[in-house]
Amino acid sequence: GAGVSQTPSNKVTEKGKYVELRCDPISGHTALYWYRQSLGQGPEFLIYFQGTGAADDSGLPNDRFFAVRPEGSVSTLKIQRTERGDSAVYLCASSLTRGGGGTQYFGPGTRLTVL
Amino acid sequence: AQSVAQPEDQVNVAEGNPLTVKCTYSVSGNPYLFWYVQYPNRGLQFLLKYITGDNLVKGSYGFEAEFNKSQTSFHLKKPSALVSDSALYFCAVRDVGGYQKVTFGIGTKLQVIP
Repeated sequence: GAGVSQTPSNKVTEKGKYVELRCDPISGHTALYWYRQSLGQGPEFLIYFQGTGAADDSGLPNDRFFAVRPEGSVSTLKIQRTERGDSAVYLCASSLTRGGGGTQYFGPGTRLTVL
Repeated sequence: AQSVAQPEDQVNVAEGNPLTVKCTYSVSGNPYLFWYVQYPNRGLQFLLKYITGDNLVKGSYGFEAEFNKSQTSFHLKKPSALVSDSALYFCAVRDVGGYQKVTFGIGTKLQVIP
């Protein structure tokens, strides 16, 4: 596709529920990143995939958060037993190269609201 | 650990005047540095990056940034501001010798006054 796409654009859920957020990266981009952006803050790194494997998941806040990328393209961020503090905009980015200079291109984000 | 500081929450500038948005960074090794812009209800858009070479980097929409290693700064500049430049600007850093993790600043709101 022309850019990174994320679905849904908005998700409202109740505390304790399970949610899945989807990211479709730019075609051919091997690197994929998830970030979380809270109100008034910059994006906070969650996890980085190179191909199908999670190369760095040091930003995941706890074991309620999990992400997969089974075929090296689309990725899903999964949050179990959601809490009100999980409310934020979840951003996905992809880049062409695993090199550090590889520019990350961001999707529009999914706004998650936990009631 | 790597970090980014954007000391100004908001920068106001008159249309047609030069603008500067400040950024300082900290990494253990050499940095890769990035600037992104975020318009309301839109995703982050890449503006420019410093990898190596010339300290003055030119990017999209007439923006440029100067890498200053001694001052560990990477300030964003534009010679003549437009009202349409009003947005939220984020500086980001990655350690060349580290992992892929990119650390963002908290952002600076740029308001260009007509």
